[in-house]
Amino acid sequence: DIQMTQSPSSLSASVGDRVTITCRAGQSISYLNWYQQKPGQAPKLLIYAASNLLSGVPSRFSGSGSGTDFTLTISSLQPEDFATYYCQQSYSTPWTFGQGTKVEIK
Amino acid sequence: QVQLVQSGAEVKEPGASVKLSCKASGYTFTTYYIHWVRQAPGQGLEWMGRINPSGGYTNYPQKFQGRLTMTRDTSTTTVYMELSNLRSEDTAVYFCAKRGSGSYLDHWGQGTLLTVSS
Repeated sequence: DIQMTQSPSSLSASVGDRVTITCRAGQSISYLNWYQQKPGQAPKLLIYAASNLLSGVPSRFSGSGSGTDFTLTISSLQPEDFATYYCQQSYSTPWTFGQGTKVEIK
Repeated sequence: QVQLVQSGAEVKEPGASVKLSCKASGYTFTTYYIHWVRQAPGQGLEWMGRINPSGGYTNYPQKFQGRLTMTRDTSTTTVYMELSNLRSEDTAVYFCAKRGSGSYLDHWGQGTLLTVSS
């Protein structure tokens, strides 16, 4: 199984801050997705294939990376962005998720 | 619009089985795989496997082999996930999700809470 490791596990930030979350895969992968989850809700897809923004997702979200190292960036944090973010690889089965990064209000 | 509507909460005793459902609508049911993902209380997301609604092909991680069965009913556009020999560690919210045109999950059900307790 491919292990996915996110950092940090949690962070505190203010509205307007630039936030970067890192995801590292245990081996080189070619397909990496990012999801946002709010308490009591199902996850929502934000970015697929490392850098492709899903239609309807605000442009302040962006993704980059390749091989084993990937990042999710929120350019200017908004109140509705406080949530937990997960990376997920679909390069090979079993699909695996990172442990999550909780973004909290400072 | 695409919708995945899951069955209601369940409470089961250890050793029992449970069968959860996920009814799909708003798209061609047989075109896209349905996946199941679970989330234990306060924990992260765990992929449980997938089913091809067209031919019924399934793919499960090794840890669930022998205990997990996914099926589908094309006449009602519903996917089922049956988990047997339940233990307390299976207590979680179970989500079904539809694969998109690429290798990602673009629509999710609302989740079903399964509680395993004696």
